[in-house]
Amino acid sequence: EAQVTQNPRYLITVTGKKLTVTCSQNMNHEYMSWYRQDPGLGLRQIYYSMNVEVTDKGDVPEGYKVSRKEKRNFPLILESPSPNQTSLYFCASSPTPFSTDAGANVLTFGAGSRLTVL
Amino acid sequence: QKEVEQNSGPLSVPEGAIASLNCTYSDRGSQSFFWYRQYSGKSPELIMFIYSNGDKEDGRFTAQLNKASQYVSLLIRDSQPSDSATYLCAAQDSSYKLIFGSGTRLLVRP
Repeated sequence: EAQVTQNPRYLITVTGKKLTVTCSQNMNHEYMSWYRQDPGLGLRQIYYSMNVEVTDKGDVPEGYKVSRKEKRNFPLILESPSPNQTSLYFCASSPTPFSTDAGANVLTFGAGSRLTVL
Repeated sequence: QKEVEQNSGPLSVPEGAIASLNCTYSDRGSQSFFWYRQYSGKSPELIMFIYSNGDKEDGRFTAQLNKASQYVSLLIRDSQPSDSATYLCAAQDSSYKLIFGSGTRLLVRP
């Protein structure tokens, strides 16, 4: 089954304790992205990657790191989590973001990771 | 700042009615537009996309695009309680970045 898998789905942690949220896709997609979703603010992009070893900042990158060493994996790292990073996080992927074929730009989302930082 | 605007709702319609969800975007260079449905606590899932002016129909769903007015809408015919969800509009801007609106919550009353 074509899918984007995120782990953990739920996590409660404390301020300053490093954590990693993993994301893996099995569709050979070039493009991967992380979003956070907060009430009233919609989906905001944290980081994205256009291909292996190519990553770039989205709209809200502060406090986050990413890496793209393999095409299928795109982990999100919180080096020193703070309470304002409490949110619902989604990983997503698409074949490519730069196609004039809109269908190639359709995002497939993971199930989400609900993170609480105390 | 490029934006996609949606009324947060909730939009309440009776079962069987047509639900009309609207979205405006600020980047005139935007080419493609997407509607995602998101049930509470779940991930967004694509309903349909549109990139040409006019209407695009898929079952009970019709997307409408008016690039001159920078306006996108989604019509849901014969609304069902199972359509109750938040609907996210997204625009792919001139740099191919996908920008999401904050979503409209739809409530279909039995």
